[in-house]
Amino acid sequence: DVKVTQSSRYLVKRTGEKVFLECVQDMDHENMFWYRQDPGLGLRLIYFSYDVKMKEKGDIPEGYSVSREKKERFSLILESASTNQTSMYLCASSVGTRNTEAFFGQGTRLTVV
Amino acid sequence: DAKTTQPPSMDCAEGRAANLPCNHSTISGNEYVYWYRQIHSQGPQYIIHGLKNNETNEMASLIITEDRKSSTLILPHATLRDTAVYYCIVRVFTLMEYGNKLVFGAGTILRVKS
Repeated sequence: DVKVTQSSRYLVKRTGEKVFLECVQDMDHENMFWYRQDPGLGLRLIYFSYDVKMKEKGDIPEGYSVSREKKERFSLILESASTNQTSMYLCASSVGTRNTEAFFGQGTRLTVV
Repeated sequence: DAKTTQPPSMDCAEGRAANLPCNHSTISGNEYVYWYRQIHSQGPQYIIHGLKNNETNEMASLIITEDRKSSTLILPHATLRDTAVYYCIVRVFTLMEYGNKLVFGAGTILRVKS
């Protein structure tokens, strides 16, 4: 089975801290994604990556950056966490061809206080 | 990007078929329709996808209208464990061969009741 693993299930950080959310997939997938999920807003794409060191902005990239130094790992970085970044963060991966499914991790619930 | 419209919520009796509609009137010819669901406190799970023909797998059936402007996900015998948010997504492709992305809407909350 494909496994997408997010490093933390719950995280509490202070305003202004630099926060790293890590995601690892074990199926050699080319594509990896970071979403945030908020009540009433659904899932919104922050960034995605289609290859090592390659990244594309999603719909809401402001306040975030990403890093993909190895194929299996995709990191989401909050340079200076703010309370409006309190959310559920979901990582996903998929094979790099057109009509394939994406596999999601369990999510990280981040609270910024 | 093609957008989708789904009802915010639906109820279904346990053991009956659940029919979840989705409108995607601006879909273009090479865009697939995908369905995912999200059970509370879990990440989304892939269910099924299709282009223009009806599709069936062990989880569900997908019926796409001939003009491709709408589709229906059918769970043939809904159980309490099927209670979840169901997302209908049109797959958006970038200009590159790889890197296609999923764009989620608000989804439909399906409540299966005993």
